[in-house]
Amino acid sequence: KAGVTQTPRYLIKTRGQQVTLSCSPISGHRSVSWYQQTPGQGLQFLFEYFSETQRNKGNFPGRFSGRQFSNSRSEMNVSTLELGDSALYLCASRKEARFDYGYTFGSGTRLTVV
Amino acid sequence: AQSVTQLDSQVPVFEEAPVELRCNYSSSVSVYLFWYVQYPNQGLQLLLKYLSGSTLVKGINGFEAEFNKSQTSFHLRKPSVHISDTAEYFCAVTPANQAGTALIFGKGTTLSVSS
Repeated sequence: KAGVTQTPRYLIKTRGQQVTLSCSPISGHRSVSWYQQTPGQGLQFLFEYFSETQRNKGNFPGRFSGRQFSNSRSEMNVSTLELGDSALYLCASRKEARFDYGYTFGSGTRLTVV
Repeated sequence: AQSVTQLDSQVPVFEEAPVELRCNYSSSVSVYLFWYVQYPNQGLQLLLKYLSGSTLVKGINGFEAEFNKSQTSFHLRKPSVHISDTAEYFCAVTPANQAGTALIFGKGTTLSVSS
């Protein structure tokens, strides 16, 4: 059974640019969540999508956005990149948007902003 | 709101020694609790979770954790560690029985196992 696939694995962007990250969940999983991991702030929740609707959103500026497609694949977009956006971005999927259904995490996309 | 404190940022141990990674949480409602492990350049892998029932939870790779409601703790233990257990470990909490919530993670504990 294929796991959660995130592409690309590594990305280098320049300040002011925008970036789109992709996440393909496990087949049959309808919920996709995104987390940002940095050495200073640790793991922080960005947002969750379930059946193409945003269910929950963390405390991030509007430059961070996401969407989910009908096949449950999700993308997140960061516009006007700042140096502080350099991080490992992790995607996690689960069958339903409930924690008795566990998350499965992908290996992440490491974004470096220069 | 919930919060998680992992009391040790780094724990060095020798191979075959026992280890305990400590986690305290704060919440005004019932919670679900989790431990995840992250190996270098990887995502997070679930070790174990507490949803309800027995307070002693057994997970993968020989790890176990005990939920202590009065102490608001969820410490992770392993009786004998291996070099391959070297990784970063995260404790996480979320409100129980609520849809649309997120995991709140601690800052992590780096476990270093040496021979």
